[in-house]
Amino acid sequence: EPEVTQTPSHQVTQMGQEVILRCVPISNHLYFYWYRQILGQKVEFLVSFYNNEISEKSEIFDDQFSVERPDGSNFTLKIRSTKLEDSAMYFCASSARRDSYYGYTFGSGTRLTVV
Amino acid sequence: GENVEQHPSTLSVQEGDSAVIKCTYSDSASNYFPWYKQELGKRPQLIIDIRSNVGEKKDQRIAVTLNKTAKHFSLHITETQPEDSAVYFCAARALGEKLTFGTGTRLTIIP
Repeated sequence: EPEVTQTPSHQVTQMGQEVILRCVPISNHLYFYWYRQILGQKVEFLVSFYNNEISEKSEIFDDQFSVERPDGSNFTLKIRSTKLEDSAMYFCASSARRDSYYGYTFGSGTRLTVV
Repeated sequence: GENVEQHPSTLSVQEGDSAVIKCTYSDSASNYFPWYKQELGKRPQLIIDIRSNVGEKKDQRIAVTLNKTAKHFSLHITETQPEDSAVYFCAARALGEKLTFGTGTRLTIIP
C-alpha cells in the first residue's frame, strides 16, 4: 500500500532556529496537508496546498510558517524562527481528490522538539 | 468554524465487551466523518468513515452511526480485543478540505 513518508522522524532544534520538515506524498496525489499534534492533545489542521498554492490555512499557520513543493515529489513545511510552543508532532497528509467525502492518508510524522 | 466534542476521554472495557465513543459537531454543513485510531507514537490511521447521506456503516467489528438532526456520530467496537487499545479520534469535515478533530478517547481493553 502506498505511503506518505516524512523526514526526519525526530528533530531537535534551538529556539529561534529555522526548521524544514519534509514529506513525500503518495505519487499520484495532488492535494497536500500539514497537521500538528501537541503531545497528548488533538490533531490540528495547519494548511492545505494544491496546484502550488495554499488553498486553506488555520490561525496557527502564521507568518512564521510556509509551505513549498520544491520539486515533483517533496512537500515541505518551514518554520522560520521556532518557539518552544512549536514542539509537537507534525503530520503530512495527501489525497487524490478534493471532494469533501474523501479521506486522506497521514505520514508517520516528525516529532519536533524546540529547546 | 466547526467544533467537535468527543466523549469519553478515557474508556476501559473488558476484553470481549463493546466500546462506544461519541462525538458531536457544530457545523450543519459537515458531511464527512472519519474515525482514526492512533497507537502510541504513531500516525493516525483511518479505520472507518461515514458520509452525511448514510445513517450507519459497518466493517466487521466496527460500526459508525450518524444522526444529522442531533449532529452527533458514534463509533461502536464489538468483541473488543487487546489490540483495540489505542487513542481514537473522531473528525468532521464541512466545505473545504480541513478535518476538525475531536479531543480523543484513550481506549484500554482489559484482558
